[in-house]
Amino acid sequence: KNEVEQSPQNLTAQEGEFITINCSYSVGISALHWLQQHPGGGIVSLFMLSSGKKKHGRLIATINIQEKHSSLHITASHPRDSAVYICAVGRRAGGTSYGKLTFGQGTILTVHP
Amino acid sequence: GAVVSQHPSWVICKSGTSVKIECRSLDFQATTMFWYRQFPKQSLMLMATSNEGSKATYEQGVEKDKFLINHASLTLSTLTVTSAHPEDSSFYICSANPTGTDSNQPQHFGDGTRLSIL
Repeated sequence: KNEVEQSPQNLTAQEGEFITINCSYSVGISALHWLQQHPGGGIVSLFMLSSGKKKHGRLIATINIQEKHSSLHITASHPRDSAVYICAVGRRAGGTSYGKLTFGQGTILTVHP
Repeated sequence: GAVVSQHPSWVICKSGTSVKIECRSLDFQATTMFWYRQFPKQSLMLMATSNEGSKATYEQGVEKDKFLINHASLTLSTLTVTSAHPEDSSFYICSANPTGTDSNQPQHFGDGTRLSIL
C-alpha cells in the first residue's frame, strides 16, 4: 500500500460542476501539499496545509490530521482546470529528510465545456 | 514570487551520451534542492537530495554513478545522466526552497526536462 493514496485516479466533469479530489496518507507529516501539473509537465504549488482549511479563488483545501485525510475542492469548474492534481506530504522529521516530499499517484481531471 | 528555472526543457540524444540538466533558483538561495523523475502516467519519484557544498543524498535504488549531482553554488544544482540509455528516457524535474525555510513552506518547482534517448 502506498503511503499517499489519492482518489479518484481519473475524473471527468462538465463545466460548472463542483469537484472533489481526496488524499489519504499513512505516515506522520509536517505538512501536506496540493500540486497542479499541466500537460507540458510544469508543476505549480496550490496549497500547503498543516491544519484546517485554506481557500484561494475557486480552490479550497482541507485537512483532517486525526483522520490523515485531505480534500481538494474546485468550485464552478472550468476547462482550464484540466490538469493532474497531486497530493504530496512532507515527512515529520528533520535533518536529511528536510523538505522531502512523498507523492500520491495523481488525479487526472478533465473538465468539458 | 520565487522562481526555479530548469534547462534544457527538452533533450533528444543518442544512446551512450551524457546529458546535463541545470536547476537554478533565480531569486533566492537554496542550500538544498531535490531531483525527481516521472515516468509517463506515473507520479513523481524522488531521486536525490542535492546539498550545496557536500555530497548528494540518493534514494534507494538510484545509482549515484549513473546520476551525478553537483551543487556547487547556492543557486545552481546540476544532474548529469551519464552514458544514457533508452530506459533513462523520462521527465526530470527539480524543486527548491529558500535556505532557512522548512518543509512547511510550498515547494518551488522547475518546469522539468523531458529526456528522450534514442
